[in-house]
Amino acid sequence: DTGVSQDPRHKITKRGQNVTFRCDPISEHNRLYWYRQTLGQGPEFLTYFQNEAQLEKSRLLSDRFSAERPKGSFSTLEIQRTEQGDSAMYLCASSSGTGVSPLHFGNGTRLTVT
Amino acid sequence: AQTVTQSQPEMSVQEAETVTLSCTYDTSENNYYLFWYKQPPSRQMILVIRQEAYKQQNATENRFSVNFQKAAKSFSLKISDSQLGDTAMYFCAFMKGNAGNNRKLIWGLGTSLAVNP
Repeated sequence: DTGVSQDPRHKITKRGQNVTFRCDPISEHNRLYWYRQTLGQGPEFLTYFQNEAQLEKSRLLSDRFSAERPKGSFSTLEIQRTEQGDSAMYLCASSSGTGVSPLHFGNGTRLTVT
Repeated sequence: AQTVTQSQPEMSVQEAETVTLSCTYDTSENNYYLFWYKQPPSRQMILVIRQEAYKQQNATENRFSVNFQKAAKSFSLKISDSQLGDTAMYFCAFMKGNAGNNRKLIWGLGTSLAVNP
């Protein structure tokens, strides 16, 4: 069990640029979640996958955000035309499909939009 | 809609002492789960303890225990024999228990705990 891996750890970009983050969940986990966390706040749910299907997407996710999990393994989160308000920590978590298994989180990707 | 409230933004405790972090929640569900997660300065969120609402017995994990009061919708975390490594943000979270739901967590705003030497 190597845990949930996120890449990159930090990303600094200029406003208007596109960025893409990657998440590799624990290998046997079929559920994958993206959360966003700003300083001093709890995580906010963004989207959820079960295997390759994106089953729920938060209203927080504007049409500039898109997430994929093409083969039901790793996932990518892309933000187009970044804005300063997108600056946050983006957390990925995974869980198994059996019962209520807890979420296992990665270290997050910290995005700074200048 | 479910909400989770953590009324203590910051707390501190002396090493080896006991501290209790508060959490209240609001839901009309009868079947649900409650969690405490810890987020140290390294930023990785780690599960501390979980409680199933249908269980009357309070969950315990080593030095961590909860006081689950279902009628009062209260779910406090007690940390005994506090250690310096317990310094972190602590988040209380709620999850509906109905089969088929996406297991989305509803989070409180967190309590920043500092353990002082």
